[in-house]
Amino acid sequence: GDSVTQMEGPVTLSEEAFLTINCTYTATGYPSLFWYVQYPGEGLQLLLKATKADDKGSNKGFEATYRKETTSFHLEKGSVQVSDSAVYFCALRTGGGNKLTFGTGTQLKVEL
Amino acid sequence: DSGVTQTPKHLITATGQRVTLRCSPRSGDLSVYWYQQSLDQGLQFLIQYYNGEERAKGNILERFSAQQFPDLHSELNLSSLELGDSALYFCASSVSRSGTEAFFGQGTRLTVV
Repeated sequence: GDSVTQMEGPVTLSEEAFLTINCTYTATGYPSLFWYVQYPGEGLQLLLKATKADDKGSNKGFEATYRKETTSFHLEKGSVQVSDSAVYFCALRTGGGNKLTFGTGTQLKVEL
Repeated sequence: DSGVTQTPKHLITATGQRVTLRCSPRSGDLSVYWYQQSLDQGLQFLIQYYNGEERAKGNILERFSAQQFPDLHSELNLSSLELGDSALYFCASSVSRSGTEAFFGQGTRLTVV
């Protein structure tokens, strides 16, 4: 079945540091890939997405590129802020449905 | 604010009891999804309804059931509750049954004692 593997957290960074959160997937067919963010006490918000190979999703300074050859969708940001502290989930969607398969989430803590 | 409303925000109940979680989707959205977020299982898809009919089923226990009403709100019923059912239950909604972005509510935190 479909699955998503994320790097374990928590990831602790200083403000303005470079962020990478690794995500790899296993899926039948050609999935769409997503990054969701969950701020403390809130629901999940879509951060960015990519629907086909080599697409780059970007939003709020975050980027991720759909790499079919390595089945990866790593999240990057050049300079993190304290306000980026949250849990980040990588997810995929396959076929004609709308069901999302999530990774376990990676907690990011950004300190001054 | 995603526009998806879940009530209650918190629920504490005893083992063996039954609870109902409610979800109001965004205006105009026909699909509703339920997810369970627990420490050991992570975020798991439970079930999807589209315009009142069950569309897809995931890892939903037989003790759990859901429905979507004519006004499109949905309820998730959890019965014979066990300690392991303690989790955050999210509802999400989308315009159509497939291929569109899902918007998540803030969740209902269920604690079974």
